Amino acid sequence: QVQLQQSGPGLVKPSETLSLTCTVSGDYISIYYWSWIRQPPGKGLEWIGYVYDSWSSKSNPSLKSRVTISVDTSKSQFSLKLSSVTAADTAMYYCVRARSGRTFDIWGQGTMVTVSS
Amino acid sequence: DIQMTQSPSTLSASVGDRVTITCRASQSISGWLAWYQQKPGKAPKLLISDASSLESGVPSRFSGSGSGTEFTLTISSLQPDDFATYYCQQYDSYSRTFGQGTKLEIK
Repeated sequence: QVQLQQSGPGLVKPSETLSLTCTVSGDYISIYYWSWIRQPPGKGLEWIGYVYDSWSSKSNPSLKSRVTISVDTSKSQFSLKLSSVTAADTAMYYCVRARSGRTFDIWGQGTMVTVSS
Repeated sequence: DIQMTQSPSTLSASVGDRVTITCRASQSISGWLAWYQQKPGKAPKLLISDASSLESGVPSRFSGSGSGTEFTLTISSLQPDDFATYYCQQYDSYSRTFGQGTKLEIK
């Protein structure tokens, strides 16, 4: 079955760039949309954005200028980069399969990212 | 952005109870609504899409209804495994948004 395995650092310094990668197994990465969603401790879910292919991606307007989501089909991976992070970006970050870009049906295990010096 | 508001924020109920959670959108989203269940320390699980379509493997005691701006998630007879936090999510606009969540607690 489809599995998403996340990787990346759990601690990022303020003003630096958060980088996470999600490796997809058990499915063809090129036929789905892939998303990132985050959840600050004790709070609700926030959609960060999604990518379909190298030319198709969308992101949350509130984060748009800081977000880059990309896909590498040769490695069956997609990635998130969030620049100029602050403490407000501290959250559990999930990589997710977005069925037709709409609903989120397969989730990674989550990566807790703390922004702190 | 389309704002999603859930009520109540917390709901206390007993095993066997019938419970309903409401989700309201700040503008019409037709039937483009999903419901998720999240347990502590776990990723959310998709329960319902298109307002009322149950995902494969989800028990039939879960049901969803609504269209436009008002939606409901109903659990017909609460089971111990159902105590969790529930989120609604709209996908009418490209900027996907979630409700703030409803925590379902044991009374």
